[in-house]
Amino acid sequence: GESVGLHLPTLSVQEGDNSIINCAYSNSASDYFIWYKQESGKGPQFIIDIRSNMDKRQGQRVTVLLNKTVKHLSLQIAATQPGDSAVYFCAENIVDAGKSTFGDGTTLTVKP
Amino acid sequence: KAGVTQTPRYLIKTRGQQVTLSCSPISGHRSVSWYQQTPGQGLQFLFEYFSETQRNKGNFPGRFSGRQFSNSRSEMNVSTLELGDSALYLCASSRTHGGQETQYFGPGTRLLVL
Repeated sequence: GESVGLHLPTLSVQEGDNSIINCAYSNSASDYFIWYKQESGKGPQFIIDIRSNMDKRQGQRVTVLLNKTVKHLSLQIAATQPGDSAVYFCAENIVDAGKSTFGDGTTLTVKP
Repeated sequence: KAGVTQTPRYLIKTRGQQVTLSCSPISGHRSVSWYQQTPGQGLQFLFEYFSETQRNKGNFPGRFSGRQFSNSRSEMNVSTLELGDSALYLCASSRTHGGQETQYFGPGTRLLVL
């Protein structure tokens, strides 16, 4: 259920497996990056962020990796659960810009 | 603490009409941003307001406008509606303008233009 490098619009994994969601960003001047989770009928919800001077950041069951050389961002979810099923977006931001530029979403489906 | 609220949640309009959407940010948040979400274009930035001033604007036509009040509540207006304006309109608030501030999103207003 993993995909490395390539952005996929959909990803299906078995419950308990690890998931990797990929994102390519466009602006090399972006200062920080955010991953959001959007469930049906709700707005995007913050998961984790990372500054451009870092290459890895860990949260609870999630890890974000940043590769500035190829302008690539990934979100790893450990031990994926049915409640993780949602659309995941990455967003790039520039300090003081007051806006986020969102990437294409990935729909994650967790099979029990 | 109450989250970001948006009203109405659902709206049906016809082409040529105008619409006003409302957003109440989290208490203490002074920055409000608006986004349009469609299946084809994804999430696109409309504009951001901070302390009643528009600080940033996306690439949308002048039919899309907004404002922010002294209590940080914000409205956006779309005039002369087109079919392509059908979308989920999301509002997000943060404490300050810029910086590495987490944006908190509301549930959105789903607009259908017939």
